[in-house]
Amino acid sequence: QKEVEQNSGPLSVPEGAIASLNCTYSDRGSQSFFWYRQYSGKSPELIMSIYSNGDKEDGRFTAQLNKASQYVSLLIRDSQPSDSATYLCAALYGNNRLAFGKGNQVVVIP
Amino acid sequence: GAVVSQHPSRVICKSGTSVKIECRSLDFQATTMFWYRQFPKQSLMLMATSNEGSKATYEQGVEKDKFLINHASLTLSTLTVTSAHPEDSSFYICSAGQGPNTQYFGPGTRLTVL
Repeated sequence: QKEVEQNSGPLSVPEGAIASLNCTYSDRGSQSFFWYRQYSGKSPELIMSIYSNGDKEDGRFTAQLNKASQYVSLLIRDSQPSDSATYLCAALYGNNRLAFGKGNQVVVIP
Repeated sequence: GAVVSQHPSRVICKSGTSVKIECRSLDFQATTMFWYRQFPKQSLMLMATSNEGSKATYEQGVEKDKFLINHASLTLSTLTVTSAHPEDSSFYICSAGQGPNTQYFGPGTRLTVL
């Protein structure tokens, strides 16, 4: 069973602060990783993908990947109330299947 | 980006009935689609991989005779929940791929079994 772990509880951050989310994965063969945002009652939407070790920045979002440690993270800078959602980490494994973590709820306080 | 639709968006049915959910890729062809289920406060769990023109591949623990998948064309996959029971109440989401690193998710179908 491919596992993706997101162990942090709900995260509350003040507006304008940085939100930091972490994720670990079990399948060392996974090469592609994704962060999805999911609003309550909606389906996930892709916000970041990362395939190589290091950092990848896209606007206010930065994803970090460390394959040796099997660790993926997401930073949200200048957090906005609209960023309040559940963030799901996912890893791609055999036959293009995605394994998702349980998600981290982020609440941005105005 | 590519668009994936699902129908219906919400369905309520009586226990013992069957419910069909459609997943369509509107502006691209998808040889592979995926079906997920999400219970409240939990993550998405992959149920099966739907392959156009061939049998679906089910994940461990998912009953293939209960969750019938048909992928008859390159733009349509259907999931039929047979003899639905209250424990099948969930949020069912499909996705369609345009390559290994690109999956587009449908808006989801909320199933409530009374």
